Amino acid sequence: DAKTTQPTSMDCAEGRAANLPCNHSTISGNEYVYWYRQIHSQGPQYIIHGLKNNETNEMASLIITEDRKSSTLILPHATLRDTAVYYCIVRVESNDYKLSFGAGTTVTVRA
Amino acid sequence: ETGVTQTPRHLVMGMTNKKSLKCEQHLGHNAMYWYKQSAKKPLELMFVYNFKEQTENNSVPSRFSPECPNSSHLFLHLHTLQPEDSALYLCASSQESQGQPQHFGDGTRLSIL
Repeated sequence: DAKTTQPTSMDCAEGRAANLPCNHSTISGNEYVYWYRQIHSQGPQYIIHGLKNNETNEMASLIITEDRKSSTLILPHATLRDTAVYYCIVRVESNDYKLSFGAGTTVTVRA
Repeated sequence: ETGVTQTPRHLVMGMTNKKSLKCEQHLGHNAMYWYKQSAKKPLELMFVYNFKEQTENNSVPSRFSPECPNSSHLFLHLHTLQPEDSALYLCASSQESQGQPQHFGDGTRLSIL
């Protein structure tokens, strides 16, 4: 299984872009990178995913390096409601449906 | 609103009780999952159902018994639980297709007395 490494925590200022890094140096060629977040007392919320190319949706942008060994989730204009634990997940190769959650990054957006 | 609804949101039960957790998805997905999230631990996958058939049992004790009567509903029957089973139980669903994300409910907070 490809493991991911994320910083334990980070702070960012409201209104500024938040850049969340993730290392996945053992990722396989057919494994996707997923990002989820979990706000306190709620279930995880899907944010975005990608394979090779950069992706953007209404919530965030995902930048994947050319060698696919790392990625960055970008929240373009962080708000207080973006305070959450953010999980970077590489889908387990042996099973298309498993998501293996780590400890994630606790992001605190400050006014 | 995630399209995945879990009931009840909170449940307190004694170790000798029998209760059930319910999950319903309104997304037309055909795969459903149960996860356990204990305090200060990562989410742990418990069960996977694909087209109503159980495809994964991640070494879960038999005091947890899942049931999937159709692709929209998933239950977790509980009996003779232990205090260490107190946790947030999360249900998720996805479309069976490579790369499709899972969508989670907000969970049932279970406390065992």
